[in-house]
Amino acid sequence: DTEVTQTPKHLVMGMTNKKSLKCEQHMGHRAMYWYKQKAKKPPELMFVYSYEKLSINESVPSRFSPECPNSSLLNLHLHALQPEDSALYLCASSQELVGNEQYFGPGTRLTVT
Amino acid sequence: AQKVTQAQTEISVVEKEDVTLDCVYETRDTTYYLFWYKQPPSGELVFLIRRNSFDEQNEISGRYSWNFQKSTSSFNFTITASQVVDSAVYFCALMGSNYKLTFGKGTLLTVNP
Repeated sequence: DTEVTQTPKHLVMGMTNKKSLKCEQHMGHRAMYWYKQKAKKPPELMFVYSYEKLSINESVPSRFSPECPNSSLLNLHLHALQPEDSALYLCASSQELVGNEQYFGPGTRLTVT
Repeated sequence: AQKVTQAQTEISVVEKEDVTLDCVYETRDTTYYLFWYKQPPSGELVFLIRRNSFDEQNEISGRYSWNFQKSTSSFNFTITASQVVDSAVYFCALMGSNYKLTFGKGTLLTVNP
């Protein structure tokens, strides 16, 4: 089973709203990732968790706040977003941080109005 | 610095044609990993293959084959007897010592019936 699940599939939020994206995997993977993808572009790395600790933050604005409650779950808390934050948000996981393929979820399509 | 170049932005073929997607990479790392991902219109990135820098064996999986050549820093992907379901954006990616995936810009493959 190489499934990563993400909820919700679609999200529309105003600039003053607070919302959260959720990601779950049950493959026993120890590394989890958040990516942002704009149309016709490759995914851009945002955050990396390894063994439930934040390993990489790609200088993401503080209006995006990641959380890893346990080894299977990854959240992305959103607050005071801008219209330019509208994108596809992808979660991924891998066995370990180094050298392993990442398995991606179906993504959350976010629209900020 | 790492870089992945997919020079072909878009390719259009007719069903049953063979098609090769090019990928050229740059890295100073001696140990690195190469990947191919498929992203159909639904949005989910699907892992296709991983190759280690010390393993130059080519690989075949059904209609898919990959040609890894360190001498030319290339990792090309061939689909034999293409099908409409192969229509997608294909990303080549590189992981080096920084543990991050560097994606190419992607190649949009359209297979027409």
